[in-house]
Amino acid sequence: EIVLTQSPATLSLSPGERATLSCRASQSVSSYLAWYQQKPGQAPRLLIYDASNRATGIPARFSGSGSGTDFTLTISSLEPEDFAVYYCQQRSNWPPSVTFGQGTRLEIK
Amino acid sequence: EVQLVETGGGLIQPGGSLRLSCAASGFTVSSNYMSWVRQAPGKGLEWVSVIYSGGSTYYADSVKGRFTISRDNSKNTLYLQMNSLRAEDTAVYYCARDAPWFDPWGQGTLVTVSS
Repeated sequence: EIVLTQSPATLSLSPGERATLSCRASQSVSSYLAWYQQKPGQAPRLLIYDASNRATGIPARFSGSGSGTDFTLTISSLEPEDFAVYYCQQRSNWPPSVTFGQGTRLEIK
Repeated sequence: EVQLVETGGGLIQPGGSLRLSCAASGFTVSSNYMSWVRQAPGKGLEWVSVIYSGGSTYYADSVKGRFTISRDNSKNTLYLQMNSLRAEDTAVYYCARDAPWFDPWGQGTLVTVSS
């Protein structure tokens, strides 16, 4: 099973700053990686798919990069509504399964 | 509008059974892969099961043999039958279109397994 490790566990920044979140896979997942944002009491929301493609309606300040085993989610200039928990996710084709990273909590400094 | 609405959660004793429903609108469940994902209180996300458009089903090891995913094409609804429930199954259960990324998600339904 592919394990996804996110770092840091918690990131404390101020609005307007740049956020860089990391996701490392235990083996190559090519570009088959997604990022989700989850706010308290809400369902997760898809931000990025295929490592670098923004989902519909996602602001341009969110960007994803990486391939193989190392991936990054960047928020160029934090808005107050961006403070949330972020998860990365990959899927394996055989046997079919999905794994999530443990999450990075982005909190206001 | 593409939307998913889960129902069926509640308080259930260990060893009991519960069936969750996920009603879809704005798209056809049977034409898509559909998954269940759960989140224990204060914890991260855990994939539970998927049903392919062709009908094949797959499960996480933690629920294999106890949970069954299915769908009713006439009702455009996804189900998760959960048997032999354990305390560690306590979580918010989300359904999601698996296309192959999870989008959209339902609002979730809370399942609490406790005596």
